[in-house]
Amino acid sequence: DTAVSQTPKYLVTQMGNDKSIKCEQNLGHDTMYWYKQDSKKFLKIMFSYNNKELIINETVPNRFSPKSPDKAHLNLHINSLELGDSAVYFCASTTSGVPYEQYFGPGTRLTVT
Amino acid sequence: AQSVTQLGSHVSVSEGALVLLRCNYSSSVPPYLFWYVQYPNQGLQLLLKYTTGATLVKGINGFEAEFKKSETSFHLTKPSAHMSDAAEYFCAVSEGTSGTYKYIFGTGTRLKVLA
Repeated sequence: DTAVSQTPKYLVTQMGNDKSIKCEQNLGHDTMYWYKQDSKKFLKIMFSYNNKELIINETVPNRFSPKSPDKAHLNLHINSLELGDSAVYFCASTTSGVPYEQYFGPGTRLTVT
Repeated sequence: AQSVTQLGSHVSVSEGALVLLRCNYSSSVPPYLFWYVQYPNQGLQLLLKYTTGATLVKGINGFEAEFKKSETSFHLTKPSAHMSDAAEYFCAVSEGTSGTYKYIFGTGTRLKVLA
């Protein structure tokens, strides 16, 4: 059983399009994150949800909108895609309390042409 | 705000040699520290973590790290490198309060193991 899953794994699209990435975890965690990893492997936090509530919202363009329908799911919708959005997007989950380790999904490689 | 510095974006070692990956952090409160490994085209996987207690932490695949408060360091070591250790390694520190923890990652160190 996959602990944290993401769909799709690869996403190739053109500038200006709108796309969504989905994340699901079956670990019973209550906190989920979206990260962006650029071509130099730098990992930057974008959003965090705790019990479906937005907790962390880093300096991310308004074109990015996360949604958490329940504790097990966190989706990321991106409007008007730009070349600079090309990256690998990782979902992660953990449980609140003492900072436990995060469990990461396999990533979604987004390529904007 | 907390931060993490990983010295050396690329490290090469011979198979069987000691692996040493450096991590320094800045934190105004006792830190929670983590090392993650990322194999090509995969997500990050936890190697080990330090929360409280024993400062020498043992992880998976023979890795260990020592928390040194006086040096604000959390270096990762492995006595004998194996070809399968070739990957990207990330040090991370957490900040925040329950339910709002944010994890700050270093810029990563790519480990290359030479035959």
